[in-house]
Amino acid sequence: DVVMTQSPLSLPVTLGQPASISCRSSQSLVHSDGSTYLNWFQQRPGQSPRRLIYKVSNRDSGVPDRFSGSGSGTDFTLKISRVEAEDVGVYYCMQGTHWPPWTFGQGTKVEIK
Amino acid sequence: QVQLVESGGGVVQPGRSLRLSCAASGFTFTTYGMHWVRQAPGKGLEWVAVISNDGSKKYSADSVKGRFTISRDNSKNTLYLQMSSLRAEDTAVYYCARFGCWGCGPDYWGQGTQVTVSS
Repeated sequence: DVVMTQSPLSLPVTLGQPASISCRSSQSLVHSDGSTYLNWFQQRPGQSPRRLIYKVSNRDSGVPDRFSGSGSGTDFTLKISRVEAEDVGVYYCMQGTHWPPWTFGQGTKVEIK
Repeated sequence: QVQLVESGGGVVQPGRSLRLSCAASGFTFTTYGMHWVRQAPGKGLEWVAVISNDGSKKYSADSVKGRFTISRDNSKNTLYLQMSSLRAEDTAVYYCARFGCWGCGPDYWGQGTQVTVSS
């Protein structure tokens, strides 16, 4: 199974400042079809998860453009350009290249300083 | 709008069975595959099982293989998870979630249903 490793696990940020979360996979996420199936999810306190980004860098409908995804191979990053109060929560990366199983990172908790 | 509503959770003794349901509305159910994903108390997300849009393909996590069965009834727009031989470590919130692309992860999630396995 592909192991997804996120860092940091806790990320205190100042409102209006940028934030960055790293996600590394134990093997390359490049699929034989040429796509890279690395996805990002946000889970606000008390809520269900919500997909933010799919296939590395594609933002879902309604996701603010302050969220961006990048990376390739085994190293990926989720960036928030200017953190807002509503961004507090836990962020998960998930790989969908080598399935089953679909595997998630441990989660990164974003909080306001 | 897309709605996924889970039900069937509750408190159950170890070794017993439980069936979860997920009622879908607001989209064409037959064109989407469905996942079950769970979250133990204070823990992260764990994929449990998946089924294709027509029910012909099913996969489950090793941790539940042989105990949990995913199914769907497209005439009722409903997804199921039959859970048997439940263990304490199955205690979690169970989410149903739809997907349109096998590798892209779920794009809509339900609100979840709590399953507690305890004597």
